[in-house]
Amino acid sequence: QKEVEQDPGPLSVPEGAIVSLNCTYSNSAFQYFMWYRQYSRKGPELLMYTYSSGNKEDGRFTAQVDKSSKYISLFIRDSQPSDSATYLCAKGLNTGNQFYFGTGTSLTVIP
Amino acid sequence: NAGVTQTPKFRVLKTGQSMTLLCAQDMNHEYMYWYRQDPGMGLRLIHYSVGEGTTAKGEVPDGYNVSRLKKQNFLLGLESAAPSQTSVYFCATHPALRLRLFYEQYFGPGTRLTVT
Repeated sequence: QKEVEQDPGPLSVPEGAIVSLNCTYSNSAFQYFMWYRQYSRKGPELLMYTYSSGNKEDGRFTAQVDKSSKYISLFIRDSQPSDSATYLCAKGLNTGNQFYFGTGTSLTVIP
Repeated sequence: NAGVTQTPKFRVLKTGQSMTLLCAQDMNHEYMYWYRQDPGMGLRLIHYSVGEGTTAKGEVPDGYNVSRLKKQNFLLGLESAAPSQTSVYFCATHPALRLRLFYEQYFGPGTRLTVT
């Protein structure tokens, strides 16, 4: 079983749509859950993180973790063409040496 | 402030050749990592370092070696390249754990390597 499972998509939505990206993970010992955004031919950049369970909101983005079901979600409201990228979910421990990434979901927002 | 830089950006090797990838950072971060990214596999950790002079194996270390002689540089070596090592390689850094930023990694722009 993979540490983090993510639907690769691709996902294509019209501008202004609400986007929902999801991952599942194994091993409930992990406490930190991150979303990275990766533009084509670029390195990943941290978008949001959450600690343990709960929601976190930053502008148009909301990250959600449900530890009981081991489910990680990212919601994008009022999606923009500039949101077109690959989104990677990840989990981490407070040891600094254990980060596991999903395979990424490719998102295209059509103007 | 360049952040994390990687050299070279692209490289084509023949099977059996060797090369070294360089990662340099100017953020004074303690931890440095080498990942490879392959379609359908995601980012996988090759080796990492928790400080100058230290290295440790990650998830997929076979066929690679690393060195961290200076805090700002982390080198990834391929002694005898194989087609299975065709990938995009990313370096990442992380502040010291004492800062409690357990979630934060900064990635470089990547090196695209093709082994024929």
